[in-house]
Amino acid sequence: GIQVEQSPPDLILQEGANSTLRCNFSDSVNNLQWFHQNPWGQLINLFYIPSGTKQNGRLSATTVATERYSLLYISSSQTTDSGVYFCAVERNNQGGKLIFGQGTELSVKP
Amino acid sequence: EPEVTQTPSHQVTQMGQEVILRCVPISNHLYFYWYRQILGQKVEFLVSFYNNEISEKSEIFDDQFSVERPDGSNFTLKIRSTKLEDSAMYFCASSEWGRYTFGSGTRLTVV
Repeated sequence: GIQVEQSPPDLILQEGANSTLRCNFSDSVNNLQWFHQNPWGQLINLFYIPSGTKQNGRLSATTVATERYSLLYISSSQTTDSGVYFCAVERNNQGGKLIFGQGTELSVKP
Repeated sequence: EPEVTQTPSHQVTQMGQEVILRCVPISNHLYFYWYRQILGQKVEFLVSFYNNEISEKSEIFDDQFSVERPDGSNFTLKIRSTKLEDSAMYFCASSEWGRYTFGSGTRLTVV
């Protein structure tokens, strides 16, 4: 099956700093999503980004499908950005299973 | 923004008991899912459901598990005889055009 690897596993930032989270996947996919799991355990969908670049406020994401990786950029980080960021991929984009990476745990200090 | 609703938010059950976790997916979505997350681990796929039948299931989803869409809005996960290792956060999700929305989860503790 498809392997999804995220790096770094942990990241500590000072408020206001920028960061880049990486997701590598082992095979071609038709669906890639980034999620934020907040300290209460909720999974929030940040981006649906099988290819290309998207931006939403201080967050942006880029997926280079041909090279099998995706990047999530967080600019001017805030303490509310803390939590675990998951990348998840799907082979077929037809209601099949999402395969999650192990996540990057981000802690933003005031 | 439409939400996926899960109840209860927490459930504690004795080993061997049956539990039913409930979900109301987003109304115009056609695909429904259950995932679970053991504490500190990644999110794992359990089952997907489309057109009133299971479309895919993982090796975790054995005979102890079942899913049902008893009416036009609810989607349930039943665990027949819970084990200690079933303790986890269970997430329901629905999707449209490849974009997934997850519920807030049910934290199941088996004692």
